Amino acid sequence: AQSVTQLGSHVSVSEGALVLLRCNYSSSVPPYLFWYVQYPNQGLQLLLKYTTGATLVKGINGFEAEFKKSETSFHLTKPSAHMSDAAEYFCAVSVSEGADGLTFGKGTHLIIQP
Amino acid sequence: DAGVTQSPTHLIKTRGQQVTLRCSPKSGHDTVSWYQQALGQGPQFIFQYYEEEERQRGNFPDRFSGHQFPNYSSELNVNALLLGDSALYLCASSSRFHGEILYITSTDTQYFGPGTRLTVL
Repeated sequence: AQSVTQLGSHVSVSEGALVLLRCNYSSSVPPYLFWYVQYPNQGLQLLLKYTTGATLVKGINGFEAEFKKSETSFHLTKPSAHMSDAAEYFCAVSVSEGADGLTFGKGTHLIIQP
Repeated sequence: DAGVTQSPTHLIKTRGQQVTLRCSPKSGHDTVSWYQQALGQGPQFIFQYYEEEERQRGNFPDRFSGHQFPNYSSELNVNALLLGDSALYLCASSSRFHGEILYITSTDTQYFGPGTRLTVL
């Protein structure tokens, strides 16, 4: 069985500041890891994913995440926050890239202060 | 290229009724997964359909059932609605094929539709 823990239901940063959203996972097999973003009243949009290979993955909108097996973590970062980044962010884990159900964390609401 | 589409966008039902939600996958995708997202929570996996069969199921009761058609579109049916079924229902599509090669696991990521907001009164 897999599980995801997202630390902090709400994170607030100033515009231009570093964004760090934390995600820790539990998986009995090598995990596939994902970050999705959800804007109000919309579905989920894939930001980035880790499958195999390079542990630092780059996604859309300037986001990146690093897979750290020893820490069972997959934290999401962005060097400089923009007002348009305000949204709900979900970390998810699976045993495959798309052939299995995703297990999601509870989400982190990112607030950008002007 | 059309993405994942879902209908209807909003739906209001009363307790005990039955509901059917529909999903059309992204062009080229053959696998459809359904998720329930309660207010303020992350999505929870309901089940996944491939080749018109349910392949995986999450921890949901038999009141939740589905179907996949030959054109890969899918329906989610919920019987005997409860107040707790009020949620955003998300459909995601993916592909188990890459060109003409069948992979045991999907080679493509799950792409989500905009969801159907179900309110049970």
